[in-house]
Amino acid sequence: RKEVEQDPGPFNVPEGATVAFNCTYSNSASQSFFWYRQDCRKEPKLLMSVYSSGNEDGRFTAQLNRASQYISLLIRDSKLSDSATYLCVANYNFNKFYFGSGTKLNVKP
Amino acid sequence: NAGVTQTPKFQVLKTGQSMTLQCAQDMNHNSMYWYRQDPGMGLRLIYYSASEGTTDKGEVPNGYNVSRLNKREFSLRLESAAPSQTSVYFCASSGDASVYGYTFGSGTRLTVV
Repeated sequence: RKEVEQDPGPFNVPEGATVAFNCTYSNSASQSFFWYRQDCRKEPKLLMSVYSSGNEDGRFTAQLNRASQYISLLIRDSKLSDSATYLCVANYNFNKFYFGSGTKLNVKP
Repeated sequence: NAGVTQTPKFQVLKTGQSMTLQCAQDMNHNSMYWYRQDPGMGLRLIYYSASEGTTDKGEVPNGYNVSRLNKREFSLRLESAAPSQTSVYFCASSGDASVYGYTFGSGTRLTVV
């Protein structure tokens, strides 16, 4: 079983749509969580951290549910430029970061 | 502000050849990492260095060696390349990773034929 699991997608949505991704993690000892964005043939870049109380950054909202061991990312008012693969990350201790395989998002005009 | 710099960007090796992937960061980070990314597998940790002078194995260390040359530089060596090592390799660095996550280099696309 993978440490972090994501639906690979792709999610195909029109511009302006709201889209949500979920990610589940297997280790209840996970301490911190992140969402990364990866464009085709590029390196992953940090999108946002995920806090226990949930957090928002512009059109992006991240939520953590420790009881059910999942995190989510909500994107409102999708833009063409949001098209990318979104990676979910769980951190167990100092150097144990586990990455999901990513969820691909295609935003269409 | 370069961040994390990896060289080379692309490489083709023949089975059995050796090579070293170079990584340098200019953010004064203590920790550095080498990951490989394969389709459907996500990013998997090969080796990491929590601080200058220390290195530790990650999830998939077999076939690789590393050197933390100084605080800035962390290299990955393939002693005898195998087709199974065809992948995209990313170097990353972090200060307090649990708070700030990683900064990745732009990657090395390696093909072993």
